[in-house]
Amino acid sequence: DTEVTQTPKHLVMGMTNKKSLKCEQHMGHRAMYWYKQKAKKPPELMFVYSYEKLSINESVPSRFSPECPNSSLLNLHLHALQPEDSALYLCASSLPQTPLTPYEQYFGPGTRLTVT
Amino acid sequence: SQQGEEDPQALSIQEGENATMNCSYKTSINNLQWYRQNSGRGLVHLILIRSNEREKHSGRLRVTLDTSKKSSSLLITASRAADTASYFCATLHIPPGETSGSRLTFGEGTQLTVNP
Repeated sequence: DTEVTQTPKHLVMGMTNKKSLKCEQHMGHRAMYWYKQKAKKPPELMFVYSYEKLSINESVPSRFSPECPNSSLLNLHLHALQPEDSALYLCASSLPQTPLTPYEQYFGPGTRLTVT
Repeated sequence: SQQGEEDPQALSIQEGENATMNCSYKTSINNLQWYRQNSGRGLVHLILIRSNEREKHSGRLRVTLDTSKKSSSLLITASRAADTASYFCATLHIPPGETSGSRLTFGEGTQLTVNP
C-alpha cells in the first residue's frame, strides 16, 4: 500500500467554524508533512512531524493546529480561518531522512479548502 | 520561501516531441527531486538525483544535475497527452546530524501541455 489518503476532499467553512483535516498512511513512514498550495503556485511547507513529534513549524499562524495521534495519522485542526487561507492542503509522508538516505515524499490528493 | 526557479513557466508541444524543463536553485543541497502534479491533485514523485550524481534515467525521463551551476534539467522523451501536468523541482538540504523530517523546497513549476 503506497497510498496517502486525505479527508475530506472538499471543505467549505465560515470564519467562525472549527474543522479538521485528516491524513492517513500505512506505509510505516515516520515522517509526515502538511503543505499549503495556492492556485498556480508551488506547495509551501507548513509542518513536519518526525516519529510523532513536531519537528518543523514554518511560522504558521496558530489558527492552524497540527496533531499526530499515532504513526499512521496526521490531523490539521482549523479555527477562525481567514478567506486568504483558502487553498489546497496537501499531506505527505516519507521514511526518515538523513544525508546518506534521502527518500521521496508520498503525497495525498489534498483537501480543497474554501473559507467564506 | 522558494529557492527554485523553473524555466519555462509554460511549455506546449505536440505528442511525440521531447520536453525539456530547467530548474535553478540557490543553496547547497543533498538531493534534487522532480514531481508531477495533475490539475488540482496531489504530487507524484518522478525521480531523485543526489548531489554527487550528474545524470539519472527512469523510463522516458532523464534528469541532469550541475551543482557548480546550481541547476537541473528534466527531459521527457516521446511525450504523450497523458504527460500534461505541472512539473516541480524540489531541493532537499539536510544539515549534518539532522534526523528529523526533511524540508523540501519547491520551485515555481513548469506547466506542460502535450497536444494530441
